[in-house]
Amino acid sequence: AQSVTQLDSQVPVFEEAPVELRCNYSSSVSVYLFWYVQYPNQGLQLLLKYLSGSTLVKGINGFEAEFNKSQTSFHLRKPSVHISDTAEYFCAVLNTGGFKTIFGAGTRLFVKA
Amino acid sequence: ETGVTQTPRHLVMGMTNKKSLKCEQHLGHNAMYWYKQSAKKPLELMFVYNFKEQTENNSVPSRFSPECPNSSHLFLHLHTLQPEDSALYLCASSQTPRTVQETQYFGPGTRLLVL
Repeated sequence: AQSVTQLDSQVPVFEEAPVELRCNYSSSVSVYLFWYVQYPNQGLQLLLKYLSGSTLVKGINGFEAEFNKSQTSFHLRKPSVHISDTAEYFCAVLNTGGFKTIFGAGTRLFVKA
Repeated sequence: ETGVTQTPRHLVMGMTNKKSLKCEQHLGHNAMYWYKQSAKKPLELMFVYNFKEQTENNSVPSRFSPECPNSSHLFLHLHTLQPEDSALYLCASSQTPRTVQETQYFGPGTRLLVL
């Protein structure tokens, strides 16, 4: 069975500082990996996804993530955050032969001035 | 209107009430989903519909009853709910759940409070 672990439930950070949101997954088969963002009072929207190819994936709003197969991780990074990045971030995994995306519990990123 | 819309945005109901949540997608997608989002817990997939046919029921109690009359509309009928059913209910759609292009597009959710 697949699972997704987001290691931090909350990450406070100052504006313009770098941030890394951690995600580890477990699966016995190949997977596709996603990061979604949920702004207050809104639904989730896709930030980026890894399907195949380059392990460094660039997404919207300056975010990027790196797929590390040996460590089964897909950490999300941004070199300099803005107040507007305050939101909840969800890592998700879909096995390549399946149809059910499994989501992590989310990490709340709080950017302080 | 574009994207995925959900109504109502907020709902308060008693345990003996019957209510329905509505979701509409304007993206031409064929698959629609209901998720339950509770505080501090992962999103829980409840139901999946593909081309109007239910393909997944994730052991959801029968007090939740989905309906998908066409590929653009999805309902969640609620009756005799419990306080622990209070949560944010998210609707999503995708082109189809069985392709690598499966990006799900989410609505803003219905915040449900059961008293």
